[in-house]
Amino acid sequence: AQSVTQPDIHITVSEGASLELRCNYSYGATPYLFWYVQSPGQGLQLLLKYFSGDTLVQGIKGFEAEFKRSQSSFNLRKPSVHWSDAAEYFCAVGVYSGGGADGLTFGKGTHLIIQP
Amino acid sequence: DAGVTQSPTHLIKTRGQQVTLRCSPKSGHDTVSWYQQALGQGPQFIFQYYEEEERQRGNFPDRFSGHQFPNYSSELNVNALLLGDSALYLCASSAQGVRGEKLFFGSGTQLSVL
Repeated sequence: AQSVTQPDIHITVSEGASLELRCNYSYGATPYLFWYVQSPGQGLQLLLKYFSGDTLVQGIKGFEAEFKRSQSSFNLRKPSVHWSDAAEYFCAVGVYSGGGADGLTFGKGTHLIIQP
Repeated sequence: DAGVTQSPTHLIKTRGQQVTLRCSPKSGHDTVSWYQQALGQGPQFIFQYYEEEERQRGNFPDRFSGHQFPNYSSELNVNALLLGDSALYLCASSAQGVRGEKLFFGSGTQLSVL
């Protein structure tokens, strides 16, 4: 079974500074990888996803992530954060079987705090 | 085009009661998945419905059951509620077999069990 680890429970970053959120996964084959963002009391919004091909993936809101098979990692980055980026960030892994997408396995999340 | 809609938004129940949560998928989507998100945790996969049948199930007891209707909408039923069932329940929809298709999430139903 697959698993996802987000080692940082909380991260505090100054507005305008760069950001990197870590994600490590465990899965026997090449997984499908996702980053979601969740604002308080809201559902999940997809930031970006990796299925195959280029290992550097561009997403919405200026985010990008890099898939590194050798390190089983899929870290999320942003060169300059804005106060509106404060939220909970989730990394997830998925697989396809039987012709369809299986349920995703999520990490426990990283709470991002932006300080002025 | 409405996205994924869930009802109700909030619900308060007592231990031992039963609850039904509802989800309408995004237009054009035929697959509905349900997730439970406890406070401070990531979402956990409950089950997925496609063609009115449970296609896949996560590690949840039989107290959790579901249904999908011909119009692709879905219900999540939880029997004999426990305090630990208090959580945000998220519904997500997608198109089966379409690789790379985005999974769209609703805003969830916040269930409190007293």
